[in-house]
Amino acid sequence: AQSVSQHNHHVILSEAASLELGCNYSYGGTVNLFWYVQYPGQHLQLLLKYFSGDPLVKGIKGFEAEFIKSKFSFNLRKPSVQWSDTAEYFCAVTTNSGNTPLVFGKGTRLSVIA
Amino acid sequence: EPEVTQTPSHQVTQMGQEVILRCVPISNHLYFYWYRQILGQKVEFLVSFYNNEISEKSEIFDDQFSVERPDGSNFTLKIRSTKLEDSAMYFCASRRTSGGARTGELFFGEGSRLTVL
Repeated sequence: AQSVSQHNHHVILSEAASLELGCNYSYGGTVNLFWYVQYPGQHLQLLLKYFSGDPLVKGIKGFEAEFIKSKFSFNLRKPSVQWSDTAEYFCAVTTNSGNTPLVFGKGTRLSVIA
Repeated sequence: EPEVTQTPSHQVTQMGQEVILRCVPISNHLYFYWYRQILGQKVEFLVSFYNNEISEKSEIFDDQFSVERPDGSNFTLKIRSTKLEDSAMYFCASRRTSGGARTGELFFGEGSRLTVL
């Protein structure tokens, strides 16, 4: 079964700093990869997703993620964070076979301070 | 924008009591899910539901849990006799299409926080 590891539990950054959140998955086959964000008091929202093609995926709000197959990684990046990016970020994976459910990582809490 | 709605937002219950968490998926969606997140832990899949029956369930989804779509709009999760370890945030999600994640984004509700005392 697939699993997802997010190594950073809580990241604190100043505004305008660059962000990289790590995500590694374990599954030998073809995967679909996702980053979801949960702002305080709100529901999970899709930031971006990778199915195939260009391994550098651009999402909403200036986020991007790079799929590196050899490293089983799908790290999330943003060149310059804002206070409004304060949220919990979840990496998730599903396999390419049928309607398998999403498997989530534990999440990384990002706090952006002025 | 259509959204998944969940009620209650927070429920406190005594151990051993029955709890029903309610979800209204997006109206033209066909696939429904429950996930939960215990504080400080990962979001875990519980169950998926399609065509009025469970299509997949995890090990967590034991006999104490059940799901129902009683009236074509609500999708409920029932915990028959709650335990302390059932305290968690429960998320409902829905998707419109089949074919896996490729063809349909999963839309989540805001969650229902269950506290079992």
